[in-house]
Amino acid sequence: DAKTTQPTSMDCAEGRAANLPCNHSTISGNEYVYWYRQIHSQGPQYIIHGLKNNETNEMASLIITEDRKSSTLILPHATLRDTAVYYCIGEGAQKLVFGQGTRLTINP
Amino acid sequence: DTGVSQNPRHKITKRGQNVTFRCDPISEHNRLYWYRQTLGQGPEFLTYFQNEAQLEKSRLLSDRFSAERPKGSFSTLEIQRTEQGDSAMYLCASSPPGLPGGYGYTFGSGTRLTVV
Repeated sequence: DAKTTQPTSMDCAEGRAANLPCNHSTISGNEYVYWYRQIHSQGPQYIIHGLKNNETNEMASLIITEDRKSSTLILPHATLRDTAVYYCIGEGAQKLVFGQGTRLTINP
Repeated sequence: DTGVSQNPRHKITKRGQNVTFRCDPISEHNRLYWYRQTLGQGPEFLTYFQNEAQLEKSRLLSDRFSAERPKGSFSTLEIQRTEQGDSAMYLCASSPPGLPGGYGYTFGSGTRLTVV
């Protein structure tokens, strides 16, 4: 399973773009990068995933570097409801292996 | 189908008692996972089923823990002779067949266990 490294915490102003970095230098060529988030007292929620190309959906964008050693999750217009712990996960064999994640706080 | 359902939401038990949690996955999902989460930590993988077959168990799953998924639908997680260190949130997730291993997990809201 690829090990990922994320900052412990980040702050962002409401309405601004939140950019959450993740290092996954040991990721192998066929392992996806997944992002999940967990709002207090709820189960984790799937956000987005990617392999090589950048991806965008209704929640976020995922930018993966060409060497695949790092990625950035972008929440384009952060709201107070985006306050949560965000997990960057390198796909393991048929299961997700969570790290500590980044605690993102959106400030009014 | 409203998602992954876990019962009970909260359980308080005395040390040494047995407890059982239930997870009802999304009906068309053939994969089911159990995780444990303690305060301030990310969820830790415990075990994984594909249909009724238990395919992987973490070393975290001691002999006191057992999980079943008898008909490939709902699953139960039993903890025997509970200890205070078992206090945690127990999360269940399911995912559909035919997709990359981490895609589209749907998690339940968890069962919070407190051992006193």
